[in-house]
Amino acid sequence: DQQVKQNSPSLSVQEGRISILNCDYTNSMFDYFLWYKKYPAEGPTFLISISSIKDKNEDGRFTVFLNKSAKHLSLHIVPSQPGDSAVYFCAASVGNKLVFGAGTILRVKS
Amino acid sequence: NAGVTQTPKFQVLKTGQSMTLQCAQDMNHEYMSWYRQDPGMGLRLIHYSVGAGITDQGEVPNGYNVSRSTTEDFPLRLLSAAPSQTSVYFCASSYLPEYGYTFGSGTRLTVV
Repeated sequence: DQQVKQNSPSLSVQEGRISILNCDYTNSMFDYFLWYKKYPAEGPTFLISISSIKDKNEDGRFTVFLNKSAKHLSLHIVPSQPGDSAVYFCAASVGNKLVFGAGTILRVKS
Repeated sequence: NAGVTQTPKFQVLKTGQSMTLQCAQDMNHEYMSWYRQDPGMGLRLIHYSVGAGITDQGEVPNGYNVSRSTTEDFPLRLLSAAPSQTSVYFCASSYLPEYGYTFGSGTRLTVV
């Protein structure tokens, strides 16, 4: 039973354009949502988070949007850079546990 | 400032062998977790701890044991290795989960 789903296994974007990564969840008890970035042979790196009581959080080129009624969140990267090419994981927090999605591979073409 | 240190980085085990994956953090974080990453499955929580002496099970705890005798260390023990435990294992720590976990660089385990 996957509580956090990333339905797009991969996404390809041109450098300078917007990257939009999507995530759906089923558990309405999640209180925080987080995005992580992972390069090969490294551990995931925390990018940005959002509380369930908010609908938007911004940090530089990264913005996360939360739509609670649709149980959907998205990560926008503007402008996309070749160094953003990585696997992006959506995660959700409930209690003391963090539940991850399967990840989306982002490729930014120069 | 080392962050989260995992050892070893690579390990090959025979079926039935036992071993301990080590994890240490120097950030005085109370929260620590172990995850495994398998292709197409994302990261799945094995065990977690909210402080020294307190541990609990995650999504996939079978075949693994943990203990937390100090704030710094959170070892993961494989009791009797099986090929299904071939995976990349990540240890992570956090001040508070909603502020994001810091991950180690992983241990790639192969069970033959």
